[in-house]
Amino acid sequence: DADVTQTPRNRITKTGKRIMLECSQTKGHDRMYWYRQDPGLGLRLIYYSFDVKDINKGEISDGYSVSRQAQAKFSLSLESAIPNQTALYFCATRRDGRSGELFFGEGSRLTVL
Amino acid sequence: TQLLEQSPQFLSIQEGENLTVYCNSSSVFSSLQWYRQEPGEGPVLLVTVVTGGEVKKLKRLTFQFGDARKDSSLHITAAQPGDTGLYLCAGAFGNEKLTFGTGTRLTIIP
Repeated sequence: DADVTQTPRNRITKTGKRIMLECSQTKGHDRMYWYRQDPGLGLRLIYYSFDVKDINKGEISDGYSVSRQAQAKFSLSLESAIPNQTALYFCATRRDGRSGELFFGEGSRLTVL
Repeated sequence: TQLLEQSPQFLSIQEGENLTVYCNSSSVFSSLQWYRQEPGEGPVLLVTVVTGGEVKKLKRLTFQFGDARKDSSLHITAAQPGDTGLYLCAGAFGNEKLTFGTGTRLTIIP
């Protein structure tokens, strides 16, 4: 089983719908992250959390919200999806801060029509 | 917002050739990582460099961190089809957040 699991892997939805992407991890890491990947733009940080009581905005948090339900679970929500949120979304975990390795899930491909 | 520029954006070469990809910034990194991503998967860490001038080798891959810690390069010797993928550099600028580069999509032709 994967250490970082994302659900769903693929989702097609319509403009205005609420969408939740879920992430769970078995690595025991406190740090969890949500990234968005678009062609030619690399990975951009949406939100990150250092523990269940800590939530921080990344560089592109507008239109997104997150919930850290437990150390192992970190979900990303789009309250009212729009077409330019069509992208590949990755959850990642990390044990150490400054130079620690990021462990990524397999990604959730979201298409907003 | 710190920016990381990777070049080239796309690279397609024959098996057995050598290649170098670059990662540059106008700011100083506290550390830099290289990841490789294959289709349908998340990025996987290849290496972390921390010290200016540092060189690390991973089989046929050689990673170099610039003396001023503003740039890095990845050199692949005798490329193989298994090296095909998206190569991403990611820099830390004195805090815990990593900034990713735009990526180099490498294709090795058998």
